[in-house]
Amino acid sequence: SQQGEEDPQALSIQEGENATMNCSYKTSINNLQWYRQNSGRGLVHLILIRSNEREKHSGRLRVTLDTSKKSSSLLITASRAADTASYFCATLRTGVTGGGNKLTFGTGTQLKVEL
Amino acid sequence: EADIYQTPRYLVIGTGKKITLECSQTMGHDKMYWYQQDPGMELHLIHYSYGVNSTEKGDLSSESTVSRIRTEHFPLTLESARPSHTSQYLCASRSSSSGDRVADTQYFGPGTRLTVL
Repeated sequence: SQQGEEDPQALSIQEGENATMNCSYKTSINNLQWYRQNSGRGLVHLILIRSNEREKHSGRLRVTLDTSKKSSSLLITASRAADTASYFCATLRTGVTGGGNKLTFGTGTQLKVEL
Repeated sequence: EADIYQTPRYLVIGTGKKITLECSQTMGHDKMYWYQQDPGMELHLIHYSYGVNSTEKGDLSSESTVSRIRTEHFPLTLESARPSHTSQYLCASRSSSSGDRVADTQYFGPGTRLTVL
């Protein structure tokens, strides 16, 4: 499969705890992105990290990227019930131009934050 | 809030009917995509377009067809719906990529949940 793998597939935590999701991919990338999807809705872009960056922060989100291991992690700190959603990583490959340069999505992690 | 729209949001229809799922965006994006997604599952790319009059099959084979006559409009058509077509269909768009951070972000519509009886 060309798609990335994410783990865990599902995660249930208590409000206030941190949630960590991991993504692995197979090809050389230009950047890696994380998206969030609420049940029955479209995906919303959260954060993008370039291949030459190792860590990015945005609010309560922290993303790391290890290109040598072809892996990334998304950390949500001080989680809230409203963070309950599915989270997908997506990669943009290097060396492909024009219309063939498509985002490749991972399998997703379903996060449930309980009160 | 992304300026990409899908109609209808929900559709329940009988087997054999022809249906068209609409997708439009007002961001002037060249690239548009259709994904199929079952509940709680991964996204499967079924069609994409990188400009007017260009359409390509995606990674997952689909009996649907698409057209791109105008930049902002990318409808998906099923000539004869079957229960196996029951799924959520997500439309997305993206600006032409130049390695720019903003251009690489993909915007999704709210989805159409299709049920074929």
